[in-house]
Amino acid sequence: EAGVAQSPRYKIIEKRQSVAFWCNPISGHATLYWYQQILGQGPKLLIQFQNNGVVDDSQLPKDRFSAERLKGVDSTLKIQPAKLEDSAVYLCASSLEPGFTDTQYFGPGTRLTVL
Amino acid sequence: TQLLEQSPQFLSIQEGENLTVYCNSSSVFSSLQWYRQEPGEGPVLLVTVVTGGEVKKLKRLTFQFGDARKDSSLHITAAQPGDTGLYLCAGDFGNEKLTFGTGTRLTIIP
Repeated sequence: EAGVAQSPRYKIIEKRQSVAFWCNPISGHATLYWYQQILGQGPKLLIQFQNNGVVDDSQLPKDRFSAERLKGVDSTLKIQPAKLEDSAVYLCASSLEPGFTDTQYFGPGTRLTVL
Repeated sequence: TQLLEQSPQFLSIQEGENLTVYCNSSSVFSSLQWYRQEPGEGPVLLVTVVTGGEVKKLKRLTFQFGDARKDSSLHITAAQPGDTGLYLCAGDFGNEKLTFGTGTRLTIIP
């Protein structure tokens, strides 16, 4: 079974530029998550989708970050404009259903460097 | 804000030695998970513990959930180079969301 796919794997941009990340979850997984992992820290949830609806975006900096999952499958996360402090690994994860006991499968992440 | 603190932050030991890493919180967990993350990869779930005092074993790894449900430990017996990685605990504080700890970066020296 194919895992969670993410692209690009690496991205370097200058501050105030825009960037977008793409995620393809495991087939059949209704729940999709985006996490931000700053170097030396654990992942922090940015947004959770159930099919194509947002379940939780309370920690998403909405002035610059946006995310969508239009057809309930793939998802994109965008940052516009980027700041230095956005340098991090952006992880996408998916699970069959929401809930702590349903295993989340993580993709390899996109490493973003903002100069 | 619920915080999970992990200790030690870094650990480097020789192959064959035993080790224990810890995860602590000031708040009670509903349940807790342990993950291992290798460089360039996402975290991979190792175990979920849900009952206070619970002990689970996965080959050379032993996971314990504290009686008060505020702490957990991971013990590795006879560490191998393949155990190298970032070990993360993640707790559910009753909202069914993963709150990750700061991680313990483990290096096993052959």
